[in-house]
Amino acid sequence: DVKVTQSSRYLVKRTGEKVFLECVQDMDHENMFWYRQDPGLGLRLIYFSYDVKMKEKGDIPEGYSVSREKKERFSLILESASTNQTSMYLCASSFRTGGTDTQYFGPGTRLTVL
Amino acid sequence: QKEVEQDPGPLSVPEGAIVSLNCTYSNSAFQYFMWYRQYSRKGPELLMYTYSSGNKEDGRFTAQVDKSSKYISLFIRDSQPSDSATYLCAMSKTGTASKLTFGTGTRLQVTL
Repeated sequence: DVKVTQSSRYLVKRTGEKVFLECVQDMDHENMFWYRQDPGLGLRLIYFSYDVKMKEKGDIPEGYSVSREKKERFSLILESASTNQTSMYLCASSFRTGGTDTQYFGPGTRLTVL
Repeated sequence: QKEVEQDPGPLSVPEGAIVSLNCTYSNSAFQYFMWYRQYSRKGPELLMYTYSSGNKEDGRFTAQVDKSSKYISLFIRDSQPSDSATYLCAMSKTGTASKLTFGTGTRLQVTL
């Protein structure tokens, strides 16, 4: 079974703090992703990575950065947290099935920025 | 206008009913179609995956894609209380592997 784990289930931070969200997968997947999920907006892609030290912007990268130093680990960084970054953050990893990738999700981190 | 539209519900049905969940999309480049199920406070899990038009069946679940109408459906037969969850459709384009576009999800409640 694919296992994607996220460092925290719930996190409360203050405005202006630097926040690290960590994701680890145990299936040797090349691809890893960070999404945020908000009511009425669904899942929106923040950043993704095809390989170690490689990253690409998703649809909403502003205010975020990422780091992928090892294949199994993908970190999301909020340089200076703001209240509009309060959200559920989901990490995923994937392998290719046929012509597209099958993504497996972690349990999510619910981040509250006060 | 969103690329993928999905009715948020909630949809409430009695146990044993047939459930129909749907998404419409605007971009004809989408070729791969997926349904994810998300229980409360959990991450989404892949239920069904189909390529192009047609039907795919897996147990009580049937996924249907009509590319001419840009419409996809998920049918759940003999629905159970354990099917109560949010169902997300997702799709991707040929050659742009990895980037999924999600619907906002439909919340389903199956009552005893």
